[in-house]
Amino acid sequence: GAVVSQHPSRVICKSGTSVKIECRSLDFQATTMFWYRQFPKQSLMLMATSNEGSKATYEQGVEKDKFLINHASLTLSTLTVTSAHPEDSSFYICSAHTEGQGGYGYTFGSGTRLTVV
Amino acid sequence: RKEVEQDPGPFNVPEGATVAFNCTYSNSASQSFFWYRQDCRKEPKLLMSVYSSGNEDGRFTAQLNRASQYISLLIRDSKLSDSATYLCVVFLYNQGGKLIFGQGTELSVKP
Repeated sequence: GAVVSQHPSRVICKSGTSVKIECRSLDFQATTMFWYRQFPKQSLMLMATSNEGSKATYEQGVEKDKFLINHASLTLSTLTVTSAHPEDSSFYICSAHTEGQGGYGYTFGSGTRLTVV
Repeated sequence: RKEVEQDPGPFNVPEGATVAFNCTYSNSASQSFFWYRQDCRKEPKLLMSVYSSGNEDGRFTAQLNRASQYISLLIRDSKLSDSATYLCVVFLYNQGGKLIFGQGTELSVKP
């Protein structure tokens, strides 16, 4: 089946630095990629939706200049957390929407646990 | 009001028990419904889709009541391996096609 490879799985960074998270679709083309954030004991909150070759659509309250999303190819989407602060510490996860998987096919990456110190 | 609300949990049950999870959604335009399972610090995995006619997959039964905007999941003969967080998820096509997740209900099955 479809697989989305997400890296890194865990990262610890200093406050003020930037962190890049990559999601690669293996053996399929991810026309749309969704980026979520999940705080402990809370639901996955959609941050933004990206389509290959176009600008990402951000959800209300998500700073587009802080969370930079690039979806330059059909197999790679990246999320860069710029000038990270401790409150950005969270579980970030991507999900690729793939057509032809029978209905609404969504494949999730394995997630990235970001800790900002 | 949250778009998708679930029982707060946690549910602590013995092996072999039957447990039911409830979920309500606020957007009547919601088109598709799912139950996902999420293990600690892992990505969510699709457990099953939910249909108005109800559907069953082994020990798991899902029901949807569109009039009441209510979704349920029933787990029979609970196993230790069922311990996880169960996420109620709705799909909204008219918002660009996106999944809205409930906060999840934690299930702990004890021996």
